Amino acid sequence: DQQVKQNSPSLSVQEGRISILNCDYTNSMFDYFLWYKKYPAEGPTFLISISSIKDKNEDGRFTVFLNKSAKHLSLHIVPSQPGDSAVYFCAARWGAQKLVFGQGTRLTINP
Amino acid sequence: NAGVTQTPKFQVLKTGQSMTLQCAQDMNHEYMSWYRQDPGMGLRLIHYSVGAGITDQGEVPNGYNVSRSTTEDFPLRLLSAAPSQTSVYFCASRLTGGEQYFGPGTRLTVT
Repeated sequence: DQQVKQNSPSLSVQEGRISILNCDYTNSMFDYFLWYKKYPAEGPTFLISISSIKDKNEDGRFTVFLNKSAKHLSLHIVPSQPGDSAVYFCAARWGAQKLVFGQGTRLTINP
Repeated sequence: NAGVTQTPKFQVLKTGQSMTLQCAQDMNHEYMSWYRQDPGMGLRLIHYSVGAGITDQGEVPNGYNVSRSTTEDFPLRLLSAAPSQTSVYFCASRLTGGEQYFGPGTRLTVT
């Protein structure tokens, strides 16, 4: 029972273009969503989050969009840079409960 | 602050051996958790703790044991290692409702 799904295992984008990573969830109780970035041989690091009362949150080059009716979350990175090449995990929780993670999407930015 | 620290970084075990993965945090976070990361599976929760003396099972608890005698430490014990436990293990901590911070990971191989 995968409550949080990232259906694209990998994504390749040219430097300077927009990267769009997608995430779907099934549990309507989730009220907080997060994106984590992971480089090889390191732990995941927090990138950006959004509460279910919002539909957009922006932080520099990173914007997260939430569509509650579609139970869909997306992360936009613009412009994409080589240092953005990493694995991206979306995660969700409700209240103070445990985080549930998606499978991850490997983003490669090509020069 | 050192953040979340994990030891060892790498470990090779034979089937049937036991060992303890250490995790410590110096941020006074109440919530600590253990995840394993396997290819295509994302991060799966093994056990978690909402405070000293309180632990609970996550998604994949079998074969693992935890205890939380102090706020700072949350060791993960493998009782009798099996090849299926070959994985990368991440410890994480957070304040209730806050972002989760991850340690650098322990890469475990069971032969």
